Amino acid sequence: GAGVSQSPRYKVAKRGQDVALRCDPISGHVSLFWYQQALGQGPEFLTYFQNEAQLDKSGLPSDRFFAERPEGSVSTLKIQRTQQEDSAVYLCASSLATGLASYEQYFGPGTRLTVT
Amino acid sequence: AQSVAQPEDQVNVAEGNPLTVKCTYSVSGNPYLFWYVQYPNRGLQFLLKYITGDNLVKGSYGFEAEFNKSQTSFHLKKPSALVSDSALYFCAVRDMSWGNTPLVFGKGTRLSVIA
Repeated sequence: GAGVSQSPRYKVAKRGQDVALRCDPISGHVSLFWYQQALGQGPEFLTYFQNEAQLDKSGLPSDRFFAERPEGSVSTLKIQRTQQEDSAVYLCASSLATGLASYEQYFGPGTRLTVT
Repeated sequence: AQSVAQPEDQVNVAEGNPLTVKCTYSVSGNPYLFWYVQYPNRGLQFLLKYITGDNLVKGSYGFEAEFNKSQTSFHLKKPSALVSDSALYFCAVRDMSWGNTPLVFGKGTRLSVIA
């Protein structure tokens, strides 16, 4: 079946603009995760949803970052008033299991955000 | 807090030779351990995981990893490297003793297999 998809694949934003990044998880996957991957680094956790409930947002770097998953499927990560330090690849992952248990996560291709 | 260390930024190996990509971890409880691979312009692909049981875990594409609790390591291995194995490899850990904790990734190791 189809994997995790993300759009857009590339986004260039001027500093101060708002951006919205979309994630379509694998159908039937209950859990959805957002990660931020800076150049030369591993992914860092941002936030986690179980169905439509955002259970953990401890990794969001500031209140300019907001994520939602209103119907328990598609998720959107929104960044307000973008700053240059927001430039990174934003990865979405989904998992069949509830909770952050032993099940592997399936990753999308990412959205590369460049803030100029 | 949990953490992962991948001590080598780059590993070079000749095609047909065995390869090892190193990973050590730190958790306060018992770990769940994962290896992912990332090809250019693609997302991370799951390779294998250790949850419990046999310390030697076999995964996709002929890769395997050995869990060593005393050395807190989870090195990735393959008996005979292929040029197509060239990619960026990430080790990740979760502390299973603390409920819903997120995956923590290492910085990655770039594997280059030379023909």
